[in-house]
Amino acid sequence: QVQLQQSGPGLVKPSQTLSLTCSVSGDTVSSNRAAWNWIRQSPSRGLEWLGRTYYRSKWYKGYAVSVKSRITINPDTSKNQFSLQLNSVTPEDTAVYYCARTGEGGYFDLWGRGTLVTVSS
Amino acid sequence: QSVLTQPPSASGTPGQRVTISCSGSSSNIGSNAVAWYRQLPGTAPKLLIYRNNQRPSGVPDRFSGSNSGTSASLAISGLQSEDEADYYCAAWDDSLNGHWVFGGGTKLTVL
Repeated sequence: QVQLQQSGPGLVKPSQTLSLTCSVSGDTVSSNRAAWNWIRQSPSRGLEWLGRTYYRSKWYKGYAVSVKSRITINPDTSKNQFSLQLNSVTPEDTAVYYCARTGEGGYFDLWGRGTLVTVSS
Repeated sequence: QSVLTQPPSASGTPGQRVTISCSGSSSNIGSNAVAWYRQLPGTAPKLLIYRNNQRPSGVPDRFSGSNSGTSASLAISGLQSEDEADYYCAAWDDSLNGHWVFGGGTKLTVL
């Protein structure tokens, strides 16, 4: 059974870096048939895709334009996980953050449970 | 403001048929498959429909999806109280180097 387990702090100070990790079990981050995504949800912005990483003979990454200057998504094959770093956060980055897999069909077929991250001093 | 447009709310009585619309553009729904998700309070979205009209195993055939041009629809027949949830559509958008887009969500109330 494939599962995504999220970890990371729930409170980040303004201007600092938000860091979350998604541990994968039952699949591998270096799979040629999956992509690994970060999505967030807030009352003001709804569901917002942030970016993804995937392996197709080499690693690829793609980011949403809205966060492209501040975001990094990295795979860690040794731990079978992938991470999100969002720099220079403001209160507008307060949201529930989800990691999610897109499989061969190209849709989000598996989600983490979500992490509420609050940006506040 | 979400890229895909959904009505904020929908309602029906038990046994009724309800449809939820999702309107997009040529760069998303007009070019790529639509997926639908159901979300209960405090939980992650869960896949309901993929590739416009396919149901994952375990999803009852009361749920069906369709699309035409730049719009898609989710239909729920034989409405049940447990269908009360938020429903979201999603599609890949080919613009801006490609990105995923979502609808704003529709809160379904079973009266």
